[in-house]
Amino acid sequence: QQQVKQSPQSLIVQKGGISIINCAYENTAFDYFPWYQQFPGKGPALLIAIRPDVSEKKEGRFTISFNKSAKQFSLHIMDSQPGDSATYFCAASKALSGAQKLVFGQGTRLTINP
Amino acid sequence: NAGVTQTPKFRVLKTGQSMTLLCAQDMNHEYMYWYRQDPGMGLRLIHYSVGEGTTAKGEVPDGYNVSRLKKQNFLLGLESAAPSQTSVYFCASRPAAGGRDEQFFGPGTRLTVL
Repeated sequence: QQQVKQSPQSLIVQKGGISIINCAYENTAFDYFPWYQQFPGKGPALLIAIRPDVSEKKEGRFTISFNKSAKQFSLHIMDSQPGDSATYFCAASKALSGAQKLVFGQGTRLTINP
Repeated sequence: NAGVTQTPKFRVLKTGQSMTLLCAQDMNHEYMYWYRQDPGMGLRLIHYSVGEGTTAKGEVPDGYNVSRLKKQNFLLGLESAAPSQTSVYFCASRPAAGGRDEQFFGPGTRLTVL
């Protein structure tokens, strides 16, 4: 049972374009939604995260949009650059404090063409 | 400050063999995690620890055991390796409070079971 579903599996965007990755979750008890970025041969690293009390969070070129009623959230990368080429994972967990047992989506391989 | 380190980086086992993966962190983090990453499945939590001397099961614990005898180390053991345990294993750590509530990942161990 996949509690967090991510799409698309792969995405190709031209330099300067907008990259959009979507996630949907099932468990309404989830209250923390991070996005992790992973480069080949490396471990994932936190990119940006949101809590359900806000509908949007922006950090530089990266924005999370959150729709609590639809149980969906998405990552938008503005002015995409070749250095953004990586695999992106959305995730969710039930408690911001405590063990933070993350449930990850399947991942999206993003390629930015120069 | 090395962050999270994992030993070994690569390993090939035969079915039925045993091995231990070592994770070490020098950030004095309370929480530590073991994940496995498989193509198309994202990262899945195997076991985690909320402090020295404590461990708990994650999403996919079968076939694995863990120990956290020292705060800085988290060991993952495979008693009798199976081909289904071929995967990339990531360790992560996280502080009990403060910061971005981020999990810091190691570089991973690529394990092949023949």
